Amino acid sequence: EVQLVESGGGLVQPGRSLRLACAASGFTFSTYAMNWVRQAPGKGLEWVAGVSVSDGSTYYAVSVKGRFTISRDNSKNTLYLQMNSLRVEDTALYYCARSLPLITWGQGTLVTVSS
Amino acid sequence: EKVMTQSPATLSVSPGEGATLSCRASQSVNNNLAWYQQKPGQAPRLLIHTASTRATGIPVRFSGSGSGTKFTLTISSLQSEDFAVYYCQQYNNWPPTFGQGTKVEIK
Repeated sequence: EVQLVESGGGLVQPGRSLRLACAASGFTFSTYAMNWVRQAPGKGLEWVAGVSVSDGSTYYAVSVKGRFTISRDNSKNTLYLQMNSLRVEDTALYYCARSLPLITWGQGTLVTVSS
Repeated sequence: EKVMTQSPATLSVSPGEGATLSCRASQSVNNNLAWYQQKPGQAPRLLIHTASTRATGIPVRFSGSGSGTKFTLTISSLQSEDFAVYYCQQYNNWPPTFGQGTKVEIK
């Protein structure tokens, strides 16, 4: 069974950092592009970052560029999102998702940025 | 960045009736358009990709059409489990962008 399990969310103060992880199973992780998508409480979906499979290129939403870094460890079948300089507006449920289009989603991990 | 605009914001439909949801792109996205369904408390689920291809396990009552800048998701006869929020997403260019969503509610 294809599965994505996010972890690492929590309550953090503005300006601090957090690293999310997404453990993948049930498919050949190294052969798929991977993404992070977030959803603020009561709001719609926002794509945050993606990493390609062909050359490992990374892509970011304007709202997080320069603050967030997506990476992957194919030996551990794990996707990461390093989030620095967090802002109140980064508060959201963060999903990892496989490929584009987003064919498989995890259940999400909640990040709350508040003082 | 390509802007995706969905209409209407909310659609009130009686069970058994059909529903038509629209999605418009600010520039052509060819047929690189997906539709997702999200129910309360759940992660989104891919319904349609490449504008008109149903994802694995998606019932035939869901159909997609369109290309370029105008797209439609049609649900032929709404079942109770279809009341949800639907999002379109273009993945023709980086960054992939979502529409703001259409909520399909029970009339």
